[in-house]
Amino acid sequence: EVQLVESGGGLVQPGRSMKLSCAASGFTFSSFPMAWVRQAPTKGLEWVATISTSGGSTYYRDSVKGRFTISRDNAKSTLYLQMNSLRSEDTATYYCTRYDYWGQGVMVTVSS
Amino acid sequence: DIVLTQAPLSVSVTPGESASISCRSSKSLLSSKGITSLYWYLQKPGKSPQLLIYRMSNLASGVPDRFSGSGSETDFTLKISKVETEDVGVYYCAQFLEYPRTFGGGTKLELK
Repeated sequence: EVQLVESGGGLVQPGRSMKLSCAASGFTFSSFPMAWVRQAPTKGLEWVATISTSGGSTYYRDSVKGRFTISRDNAKSTLYLQMNSLRSEDTATYYCTRYDYWGQGVMVTVSS
Repeated sequence: DIVLTQAPLSVSVTPGESASISCRSSKSLLSSKGITSLYWYLQKPGKSPQLLIYRMSNLASGVPDRFSGSGSETDFTLKISKVETEDVGVYYCAQFLEYPRTFGGGTKLELK
């Protein structure tokens, strides 16, 4: 059974950093591109970033470029999202996704 | 960026009747490989999104055949025949042809 389990969310002050993790199981992690998608409270889905199978290619939405870094450790079957210089508009539930499977999501609240 | 426009914003359906949701793209989603990169998701209340349809018309694993997807290069339709109570939630279309990946604004399906 495919499972994606996010962790690392919580409350953080504006301008600070936070790192999300996503532990994958039930499939060959290294064979699939992975992504982070977020959803602000009461809003729709918003793609954040995607990483290729090897990690050699990464893609970001403009609003997070230079602040967020997506990475992966195929040996540990884990996806990461390093978020720096956080803003209030980054407040959202962050989902780890293989596009066909999604994690349960982790809430990130940016507030002083 | 490719803009996806969904209609209607909400739909109220009597159980057992059919429902259709439209998604219009600002650009053709037909790739050079002949694949139309349009996906449909359902997000049930309080849950993560789940994949319903991939590549415009292919039913995802485990999804009831009451769901079907169709369309052209820019205009797409999700049809739900014989709506059931478990179909309540917000439906999103998404394009994975280009970066940034984009989602439609969502269509909320309620029961009468």
